[in-house]
Amino acid sequence: QQQVKQSPQSLIVQKGGISIINCAYENTAFDYFPWYQQFPGKGPALLIAIRPDVSEKKEGRFTISFNKSAKQFSLHIMDSQPGDSATYFCAARLSNSGYALNFGKGTSLLVTP
Amino acid sequence: SAVISQKPSRDICQRGTSLTIQCQVDSQVTMMFWYRQQPGQSLTLIATANQGSEATYESGFVIDKFPISRPNLTFSTLTVSNMSPEDSSIYLCSVEELKGANYGYTFGSGTRLTVV
Repeated sequence: QQQVKQSPQSLIVQKGGISIINCAYENTAFDYFPWYQQFPGKGPALLIAIRPDVSEKKEGRFTISFNKSAKQFSLHIMDSQPGDSATYFCAARLSNSGYALNFGKGTSLLVTP
Repeated sequence: SAVISQKPSRDICQRGTSLTIQCQVDSQVTMMFWYRQQPGQSLTLIATANQGSEATYESGFVIDKFPISRPNLTFSTLTVSNMSPEDSSIYLCSVEELKGANYGYTFGSGTRLTVV
C-alpha cells in the first residue's frame, strides 16, 4: 500500500509564485524524508532531504517543512521558475540502513511564464 | 554523489524475449535497488540487491521474471524475462550511499523499455 500520501497530483503556479507540495505518512519508523525532482526522460534527482529531528530545512529556493506530530512534511519552492516545471516526488525511508525509499505518487508542477 | 551509468538507455523488444539492464556505479556501494516506473506513475521497488547474497524481491515481483545479479560492489544487472507489453516501463537502479552519519540515494537515468 502507499505508505506516503502526496498531494496535489498536479499544480500550476505563475512565475515568481510559491509552489507547495504536501506529503503525509503513518509509519513513525520512517527517519529520512527526501524530495526528488524528475524531468521527462531522466532519473529522479535529489533536491533536499530532512530528518525528523529538524522542523525546517532550506536550500536556496527550496524549503522542507516537517511536522513530526502531524506526520506531515511539505516542499516549498519560492520564486518558482519555468525551469522548475517537473514532477516532484516525496519519499520516506525506514530507520536502519538497507531499506529502500517509499515514494509518494508524485506531483506534476507547471510554472507558467 | 555516486555516478550511475545505466545501459541501455532505451530499447524496443519483441514479446517473449528477455532484456538485461546493466547498472554500473563509480564507487563501491553496499545497497543497490531496482525500481520500475510506469508512464506517469511513481516508482515501485522491484528488489533490493546486496553484494554476495540473493536479491530480496517485493510483493508482486518474482525472481523467475526479474532475475538480478550483483557480482561486486559496483555492478548489478536486472533481466526482464519473457517480456509482454505490460512490462513496458522505465527501469531504474538506485544506490544507497553512506557518508559518515548521513546517507542518500542516487538514481540512474533509467532504461525505457517498450515491448511490442
